[in-house]
Amino acid sequence: DTGVSQNPRHKITKRGQNVTFRCDPISEHNRLYWYRQTLGQGPEFLTYFQNEAQLEKSRLLSDRFSAERPKGSFSTLEIQRTEQGDSAMYLCASSSAGESEQFFGPGTRLTVL
Amino acid sequence: AQSVSQHNHHVILSEAASLELGCNYSYGGTVNLFWYVQYPGQHLQLLLKYFSGDPLVKGIKGFEAEFIKSKFSFNLRKPSVQWSDTAEYFCAVRSSGGYNKLIFGAGTRLAVHP
Repeated sequence: DTGVSQNPRHKITKRGQNVTFRCDPISEHNRLYWYRQTLGQGPEFLTYFQNEAQLEKSRLLSDRFSAERPKGSFSTLEIQRTEQGDSAMYLCASSSAGESEQFFGPGTRLTVL
Repeated sequence: AQSVSQHNHHVILSEAASLELGCNYSYGGTVNLFWYVQYPGQHLQLLLKYFSGDPLVKGIKGFEAEFIKSKFSFNLRKPSVQWSDTAEYFCAVRSSGGYNKLIFGAGTRLAVHP
């Protein structure tokens, strides 16, 4: 399968713990996006990378959130000191340059107890 | 700020009925418009997109959408739905020339009964 992959698919953690998610984009795509989706809502933009540079961050991304894409390939999203309000589906998408379609991964469902 | 409004959160239809899902956006500049679909247990997939040109765009599986600039609308249509169209549908907008982030509506959950 050459689509966008995300790991883990599900994560259950206790409040206050740190979690890290990984996204592997389609190999030739230089643009990578993170979105968050809560129940009954559409995906909300969190952050965007072009190659290894993080070019845009949403105000939704508090100081507890950090994302990296160190070599311009896979990306990680870390949430420190998780809170119950962080429970959501975290989606990753990738696209090639220009005004092109974003391809979405299956998401990581986070549950904070 | 850009926003997208989808008028119906839940739609229930019988097979062969016609479908129209409303989508309105707020943004004064040039936009790209998308409809994504999420079938049960699957990823978000692109149904169709509008960048420029003919405002009536055709997508996969018999879906089409019409961009009406004066109404800031991009409604999704299908003349005859099938049970397999049961899914959640999301309208999204992207400002042309920006960093390509998508702004999504809240989604419409469609259930098609045989």
